[in-house]
Amino acid sequence: RKEVEQDPGPFNVPEGATVAFNCTYSNSASQSFFWYRQDCRKEPKLLMSVYSSGNEDGRFTAQLNRASQYISLLIRDSKLSDSATYLCVVNPPLRSARQLTFGSGTQLTVLP
Amino acid sequence: NAGVTQTPKFQVLKTGQSMTLQCAQDMNHNSMYWYRQDPGMGLRLIYYSASEGTTDKGEVPNGYNVSRLNKREFSLRLESAAPSQTSVYFCASTQGTGGYGNQPQHFGDGTRLSIL
Repeated sequence: RKEVEQDPGPFNVPEGATVAFNCTYSNSASQSFFWYRQDCRKEPKLLMSVYSSGNEDGRFTAQLNRASQYISLLIRDSKLSDSATYLCVVNPPLRSARQLTFGSGTQLTVLP
Repeated sequence: NAGVTQTPKFQVLKTGQSMTLQCAQDMNHNSMYWYRQDPGMGLRLIYYSASEGTTDKGEVPNGYNVSRLNKREFSLRLESAAPSQTSVYFCASTQGTGGYGNQPQHFGDGTRLSIL
């Protein structure tokens, strides 16, 4: 089993739709969680950190479910500019960057 | 503010050739990282430097060497390139020392390397 798993998609949704991605992780002692966004052939950029209590940034909501070992990203009122690949990143114990594990990404296309 | 700058952006090599990928950051960050990204596999850590003067292996270090030249610069060297090293290479940096993974990383825009 991969340490971090994401549904690769693609998710094709109309403008204005709400879409959600999940990312599961295998190490129950994982400490830090992030969502990154990566546009085609570009570098990953931090979208948001994921906190235990859940957090929101505009149209984006991230949640952590430790019991089921997954994190989620919800995008409301999708825009064309949201089209990208979304990477989840999980940091197991020891907080060492050597341990950081990137998911392979979920591809989102928002259609006009 | 340039952030993380990588050179070159594209490179084609023949098997057995050597080359060095350059990375520099102007954010006064302490930790720097080299990743490779292959289709369907996510980003994998090659080497990292938790602070100036230190380097350490990541998940896939074989066939690579690194140098933390100073606080700003972290280079990746392929001594004898192999087709399996065809990939997109990203350099990244974080503020803190120790290479802690609880900090978000800032990435360069990548080097696309093809080895024939």
